[in-house]
Amino acid sequence: DAKTTQPNSMESNEEEPVHLPCNHSTISGTDYIHWYRQLPSQGPEYVIHGLTSNVNNRMASLAIAEDRKSSTLILHRATLRDAAVYYCILRDTQGGSEKLVFGKGTKLTVNP
Amino acid sequence: DAGVIQSPRHEVTEMGQEVTLRCKPISGHNSLFWYRQTMMRGLELLIYFNNNVPIDDSGMPEDRFSAKMPNASFSTLKIQPSEPRDSAVYFCASSLASRLSEQYFGPGTRLTVT
Repeated sequence: DAKTTQPNSMESNEEEPVHLPCNHSTISGTDYIHWYRQLPSQGPEYVIHGLTSNVNNRMASLAIAEDRKSSTLILHRATLRDAAVYYCILRDTQGGSEKLVFGKGTKLTVNP
Repeated sequence: DAGVIQSPRHEVTEMGQEVTLRCKPISGHNSLFWYRQTMMRGLELLIYFNNNVPIDDSGMPEDRFSAKMPNASFSTLKIQPSEPRDSAVYFCASSLASRLSEQYFGPGTRLTVT
């Protein structure tokens, strides 16, 4: 499985934008980039995914570098409820696999 | 929809006992996943099913672990005999075949083996 690298932790202030980086220099052409988050004492929650183009949904935006070797999850206005561990995951779609391999993620702290 | 339902939410058992964890996926979802999360190893995929058929069980730690999915609305993960190192939070997740990227996780079962 292609690997991702994320900072262990980040801090943000409430109401400010947050940019969570992810490096995936060994990404292959068939790998989708996924982001999940896990709030304290809960199961992981799907946030967003993309292949090549930038993506937006109600939760966040995903900016993918042109060479696809990195991506950034953008929370436009952080709230206290966004404090969670954010996981950047690559899924190889070539074989039709549905496996998600979670790394250690980035623990986001949101200050009031 | 109620989301993915797991039971029990907490289980405390003694070493050597059999433990059965249960999962009801979201209605209409045809893929089901079992994960285990510990501080040391993070979140690991144990096994996943597609249309009730086990597809990849390479994450199952050893023969003490077994999983079944007798129908589209129910799955079990059994540990027999249980050991203290099995203590973890076990999550079940489900997804639609048409939306493979979006897995919906249950609240988890916290297992403590003493």
